[in-house]
Amino acid sequence: AQKITQTQPGMFVQEKEAVTLDCTYDTSDPSYGLFWYKQPSSGEMIFLIYQGSYDQQNATEGRYSLNFQKARKSANLVISASQLGDSAMYFCAIGYSTLTFGKGTMLLVSP
Amino acid sequence: NAGVMQNPRHLVRRRGQEARLRCSPMKGHSHVYWYRQLPEEGLKFMVYLQKENIIDESGMPKERFSAEFPKEGPSILRIQQVVRGDSAAYFCASSPPLWAEMNTEAFFGQGTRLTVV
Repeated sequence: AQKITQTQPGMFVQEKEAVTLDCTYDTSDPSYGLFWYKQPSSGEMIFLIYQGSYDQQNATEGRYSLNFQKARKSANLVISASQLGDSAMYFCAIGYSTLTFGKGTMLLVSP
Repeated sequence: NAGVMQNPRHLVRRRGQEARLRCSPMKGHSHVYWYRQLPEEGLKFMVYLQKENIIDESGMPKERFSAEFPKEGPSILRIQQVVRGDSAAYFCASSPPLWAEMNTEAFFGQGTRLTVV
C-alpha cells in the first residue's frame, strides 16, 4: 500500500516570495513516481511536475521544483516567485500507474 | 491536459436514477483511469482500464458502480441507483500504452461534478 501525507492544511505567502509545500510518502514499491497537481477553485486538476524514484536530479518545471529526498521519503514542492494565480489547492501523489493522493494543501498568495 | 475530455461537466440526478459519465482519452492513449474526489478530500482511485479490458478495479465500490472502455468510443463510468453519498467530482486520466515503465504523465480531464438531490 502507498500513502501520502501533506501536513500543511493551509499556507500563506506574499507575492514574489518562494514557498515550500511539504509531502512525505510511504511505499514498499522499489520503483515509483511522485507527482504534484494544482487544483484552482474552478476544479480542474493541473499537472505540475513529476519525479521518478530513480531520477538522480530533482525535477524542475519553470517556477516549480521538487525537492526530492529519497532517504527521508519526502518530495516537497517549491514554488519560486509566487504569483496571485498560484492560489489553489495543491496535491501530492505517488504511484506507478494508478496514483494515491494526499489530502492537499491550500495555498493563498497575497499581494 | 486539455486533451482528456469529460462530459458532462455537471450532472444532477435524483436519488435512484442512473448516472453515466464519459471520458475520451488523449489522442494515442489507450489507458484510462477513473478517480473520485469527495468534498474537502484528495482524489481516490476507482478503476483502471485498457480498451475492452479492466486492469484494476480495486477502488470501485462493490455495488452500483461499473466502468467500461469499449474498442470504439469513450470510457463510461456508470452509477446505478444513485444516492446522496455519490455526490462528488469524478475525474478521468489517460496515459499512453507503451509504458511497462512508469506512468510519467498523468493528465486529467476537467472532471464531472455529480450532484444527487
